[in-house]
Amino acid sequence: KNQVEQSPQSLIILEGKNCTLQCNYTVSPFSNLRWYKQDTGRGPVSLTIMTFSENTKSNGRYTATLDADTKQSSLHITASQLSDSASYICVVSPQTGYALNFGKGTSLLVTP
Amino acid sequence: SQTIHQWPATLVQPVGSPLSLECTVEGTSNPNLYWYRQAAGRGLQLLFYSVGIGQISSEVPQNLSASRPQDRQFILSSKKLLLSDSGFYLCAWKGRNTIYFGEGSWLTVV
Repeated sequence: KNQVEQSPQSLIILEGKNCTLQCNYTVSPFSNLRWYKQDTGRGPVSLTIMTFSENTKSNGRYTATLDADTKQSSLHITASQLSDSASYICVVSPQTGYALNFGKGTSLLVTP
Repeated sequence: SQTIHQWPATLVQPVGSPLSLECTVEGTSNPNLYWYRQAAGRGLQLLFYSVGIGQISSEVPQNLSASRPQDRQFILSSKKLLLSDSGFYLCAWKGRNTIYFGEGSWLTVV
């Protein structure tokens, strides 16, 4: 069973609108959670990283939140742009071991 | 600065031919290195990871193998490719604060 679940699987929004992507995880004990943006055919690029003690972290128009108690994270994109069209992947690292737990990603399409 | 390079970016190979994808990192020593395969709508599947020279762990049985001949070099190989080996392959390096990904390699087996 996948320990990282992302929703929605895909999303279409109009340019300029906001959106929120969700990531729920069961990885425990938990070390950190990362959000990545992946353009089609390219390697993922890091957006944010949060440890269990952090509640929110921003990177430009991207804001990630974390609730370590409920094991939920969200990525909020403000004033979306066409270039935001990509897959967004949530990655959760446990405190021990080398495993990296990936969500299957949310595919975002921003339309004019 | 820390960087990761992966090549080739794309390749088309006939069934039964060999494969070699190479990944190198710069700006660090003794990195943890990973090979992933990404299928559409299915997320990233861990194939191999390595914590040091000559140390390879395989996550799934498959037609592929990996080697780490040098500290900062990680190679994904196959002796005879299958159609099912087609996909997008990513090399990754886990640093202290983040994970760095290579640009990916598109493999099409025909």
